[in-house]
Amino acid sequence: EAGVTQSPTHLIKTRGQQVTLRCSPISGHTSVYWYQQALGLGLQFLLWYDEGEERNRGNFPPRFSGRQFPNYSSELNVNALELEDSALYLCASSLDGQGNDEQYFGPGTRLTVT
Amino acid sequence: GESVGLHLPTLSVQEGDNSIINCAYSNSASDYFIWYKQESGKGPQFIIDIRSNMDKRQGQRVTVLLNKTVKHLSLQIAATQPGDSAVYFCAEKGSGGSYIPTFGRGTSLIVHP
Repeated sequence: EAGVTQSPTHLIKTRGQQVTLRCSPISGHTSVYWYQQALGLGLQFLLWYDEGEERNRGNFPPRFSGRQFPNYSSELNVNALELEDSALYLCASSLDGQGNDEQYFGPGTRLTVT
Repeated sequence: GESVGLHLPTLSVQEGDNSIINCAYSNSASDYFIWYKQESGKGPQFIIDIRSNMDKRQGQRVTVLLNKTVKHLSLQIAATQPGDSAVYFCAEKGSGGSYIPTFGRGTSLIVHP
């Protein structure tokens, strides 16, 4: 069974540009979580989607947004990129988002903003 | 050891030694704890979890200990192997409908052959 997949693997953007990252959850999983992992820091929660709706949002500015599609895949959009947005962006999926189910992580997208 | 917060400590061990990685958490209402392993260039991988009604749980070569009194969590790896080299971090989840775990920054484990 395929795990969580993310694309692209690496991305280089310049300050002020916009970026879209994509995530496909494990088949049968309805919840998708997005995290930012800046170099040497812990995972910071960005967004949680379940059944197509945003369930929770971390302490990030509105230029971080996303959506979940009917097939449960998800996009993370970041507008007006800033240098400090450079990080590994991780997507995780879980079976149904009921709180006690394990999150499975994808390999991440490495975003570099210059 | 780490706190669910800053600075990435490093633990260097010899192959075959036992490793102990520590984590201090801050939320006394947390009732579910998870250890993850993250190898270079990969996403975090679930290792073992423990609920607050337990103080010890064992897996294959790994043991997690939970001390709620001092809000401390540890991961013990027996007979550490070079393939165990990675960043290990703990995560905590609270009760009351908060389904989002809080992650620590991690400890880098380096295993020397």
